[in-house]
Amino acid sequence: DIVMTQTPLSLSVTPGQPASISCKSSQSLLHTDGKTYLYWYLQKPGQSPQLLIYEVSSRFSGVPDRFSGSGSGTDFTLKISRVEAEDVGVYYCMQGIHLPLTFGGGTKVEIK
Amino acid sequence: EVQLVQSGAEVKKPGESLKISCKGSGYSFTRYWIGWVRQMPGKGLEWMGIIYPGDSDTRYSPSFQGQVTISADKSISTAYLQWSSLKASDTAMYYCARHMGYCSSTTCSSMDVWGQGTTVTVSS
Repeated sequence: DIVMTQTPLSLSVTPGQPASISCKSSQSLLHTDGKTYLYWYLQKPGQSPQLLIYEVSSRFSGVPDRFSGSGSGTDFTLKISRVEAEDVGVYYCMQGIHLPLTFGGGTKVEIK
Repeated sequence: EVQLVQSGAEVKKPGESLKISCKGSGYSFTRYWIGWVRQMPGKGLEWMGIIYPGDSDTRYSPSFQGQVTISADKSISTAYLQWSSLKASDTAMYYCARHMGYCSSTTCSSMDVWGQGTTVTVSS
């Protein structure tokens, strides 16, 4: 199975400040079809996960543009340009290149 | 509106059987893969498996193969997750989610629509 490693485990951010989460995969997520199968989800407290980013850097419909994804191969980053109170929750990366699909362990984002 | 609505919370005893459901609406249910994800109390997300309701093609994570059965009834736009003999370690929240694109024999697109989750508690 592909292992997804997220850092940090938790993050406390002042509103309006940026935040960055790293996700590393044990194998390249670049497929021969040219796509990179890396996704980001946010699970807000008491809610179901919601899709933020697909294929490394494509924002899902309705996701604010303060969220951005970048990276390639095995190293990926989710950035929030200016954290807002509604961004609190646990962020997960997930790979879709090899079944079984696997998630990172999660990064908890709190507001200072 | 595209949505997945899951069945309600369950409290069961070890050894009992259970089938929980996930009903899709607002889209063509047979044309999108449905996945199941487990979240144990206070823990992260674990992918269990997927089903294509159009032809019931199903794939399981090795961690869950033989432990659960994923099925679907396309006539009522509903996917299912079932256990034949529950254990206390099956206590968790279970989510169904729609894959927004194609799933091949090895790859899978992201999950764009999630159900509200079904809490399963197994206790003697």
